[in-house]
Amino acid sequence: GESVGLHLPTLSVQEGDNSIINCAYSNSASDYFIWYKQESGKGPQFIIDIRSNMDKRQGQRVTVLLNKTVKHLSLQIAATQPGDSAVYFCFNTDKLIFGTGTRLQVFP
Amino acid sequence: NAGVTQTPKFQVLKTGQSMTLQCAQDMNHEYMSWYRQDPGMGLRLIHYSVGAGITDQGEVPNGYNVSRSTTEDFPLRLLSAAPSQTSVYFCASSYQRDYYNSPLHFGNGTRLTVT
Repeated sequence: GESVGLHLPTLSVQEGDNSIINCAYSNSASDYFIWYKQESGKGPQFIIDIRSNMDKRQGQRVTVLLNKTVKHLSLQIAATQPGDSAVYFCFNTDKLIFGTGTRLQVFP
Repeated sequence: NAGVTQTPKFQVLKTGQSMTLQCAQDMNHEYMSWYRQDPGMGLRLIHYSVGAGITDQGEVPNGYNVSRSTTEDFPLRLLSAAPSQTSVYFCASSYQRDYYNSPLHFGNGTRLTVT
């Protein structure tokens, strides 16, 4: 079946380290992928997006990598800060499906 | 802009009661949708609308009704609440009717408990 899923439910990192959150997808007719961040008690917020004609896209402290060969998406956060603690979702617009999310915990 | 506004923030219902969750956006977005979020389940699409007068079902539509009489508002109705509808509900909108190509803007959710 078609799905968007995440490799790890929880990721714990030390403040200042880089974080990598992964996401796999099986089939998609859409060429558009989005990463969202959800803080406790709030709705998901857009972080960064990427289209399938790109392999990499950079934002402020965040980078998204897309490997279409193995159908894998990753979100890299540089110099992780306590404010980055949240649940991160990848989203594929084809089936409007969210993964269950990865919880990022940042400790001092 | 206020963005996407959801009311109420919290609601407790008894089984069999009805209620309407309100969602309004002031960004002139054509596309609006409702998701529910349960622990360990991620976000699941209930209903969506690509413009005023047009609605369609998502992944989990049973037990919910929607209508879209204006661009700004997209209410979600529970006709007869059940404990299985205990969840956090999120409304989201997008500036393009072609939702394949634009990110969603979310409200802060309504936490519903059905006893």
